[in-house]
Amino acid sequence: NAGVMQNPRHLVRRRGQEARLRCSPMKGHSHVYWYRQLPEEGLKFMVYLQKENIIDESGMPKERFSAEFPKEGPSILRIQQVVRGDSAAYFCASSQQGDENTIYFGEGSWLTVV
Amino acid sequence: QKEVEQDPGPLSVPEGAIVSLNCTYSNSAFQYFMWYRQYSRKGPELLMYTYSSGNKEDGRFTAQVDKSSKYISLFIRDSQPSDSATYLCAMSAKGNNRLAFGKGNQVVVIP
Repeated sequence: NAGVMQNPRHLVRRRGQEARLRCSPMKGHSHVYWYRQLPEEGLKFMVYLQKENIIDESGMPKERFSAEFPKEGPSILRIQQVVRGDSAAYFCASSQQGDENTIYFGEGSWLTVV
Repeated sequence: QKEVEQDPGPLSVPEGAIVSLNCTYSNSAFQYFMWYRQYSRKGPELLMYTYSSGNKEDGRFTAQVDKSSKYISLFIRDSQPSDSATYLCAMSAKGNNRLAFGKGNQVVVIP
């Protein structure tokens, strides 16, 4: 999973600030996913993107959260006006066209809201 | 009923023992089944991937899928202290890349 690069690894934000998490998929992978892991809970799907397209955002909270995967550059998960409940580990994952069910995860970004 | 059920444990075993982990699920559309290993403060690492029912072996690891019972298992033979981690089952349906995860099972292998 070292191929999926996430940064920052750790992020501290005050309530009301914005958090931006970045993800570069494995080389050759065109599908990107974001998952959230809350304390004592399993990984929960948030969003699935391909270049310049959001394919499935059924797991995204309706407000304050957005994601993009531009033609150039990493995928970005953006959380506006963070609240304490947003404190979690956010994992990015990727897969390649034709093998979409083999999904590899990055090391995660740990967000702490104080 | 949760989509994927996994007993969180923890499970402690002596070194060399067989570790047996399992998950049940409710969605009959699931056809792809995975096991991930996650060390503390790290990302999930794909261990085993199985399509539909059957067994798959890879070194000390064996994955079993019984779709009729909606039950999957992971066995770790000759367990080592380095196997101490959280093991997550995950599954998805054909045409749907979204993974549904179990809560994870913490395993501790005691030297």
